[in-house]
Amino acid sequence: SQQGEEDPQALSIQEGENATMNCSYKTSINNLQWYRQNSGRGLVHLILIRSNEREKHSGRLRVTLDTSKKSSSLLITASRAADTASYFCATPGRAYSGAGSYQLTFGKGTKLSVIP
Amino acid sequence: DGGITQSPKYLFRKEGQNVTLSCEQNLNHDAMYWYRQDPGQGLRLIYYSQIVNDFQKGDIAEGYSVSREKKESFPLTVTSAQKNPTAFYLCASSLTGVGEKLFFGSGTQLSVL
Repeated sequence: SQQGEEDPQALSIQEGENATMNCSYKTSINNLQWYRQNSGRGLVHLILIRSNEREKHSGRLRVTLDTSKKSSSLLITASRAADTASYFCATPGRAYSGAGSYQLTFGKGTKLSVIP
Repeated sequence: DGGITQSPKYLFRKEGQNVTLSCEQNLNHDAMYWYRQDPGQGLRLIYYSQIVNDFQKGDIAEGYSVSREKKESFPLTVTSAQKNPTAFYLCASSLTGVGEKLFFGSGTQLSVL
């Protein structure tokens, strides 16, 4: 029951360039989150954008949300080699039995490579 | 330092054996989760718990079991019934467990001998 899908699956850019990743989802949400995962490590939360927000910034990160298109984008400006990682979007996807609450579901991620 | 600790980092399972992955948090979070990640894939929810002594199945609970006897601890047992256990297992926690920000451990890589 995958909710979010990232695009592209892989992205390779030169250091200093901007990187844009997209996420599409299927059902209505109250928030959308982006996470980063370095190879062989756990995920790190980057940013949460609520359904009533259109854009949010955090350092070199800019996230947009278009609820009419059910899509979000993550922009990393002036990329660095240290930004090399996989990036995942996550949305509250479905309620599991007996809980009545919505748990996060993750896409397959975009693998970003930043070449020095 | 507040955070989530998973151990061991690497684990090997023999045929027919049950193995237990440890997850401890000192963030005073109510909710804890176990996810499975296969190469090149997203995360799939195995089990989650929003309160001590209660837990719910996720998408792929078959072959796994959990307990939540203490707020800080949420161990995952991979039983012999799980025929394809090789994967990267991630534990996470959140404040209340209602689709909010997750804090992740550094993961356990489980392989079959």
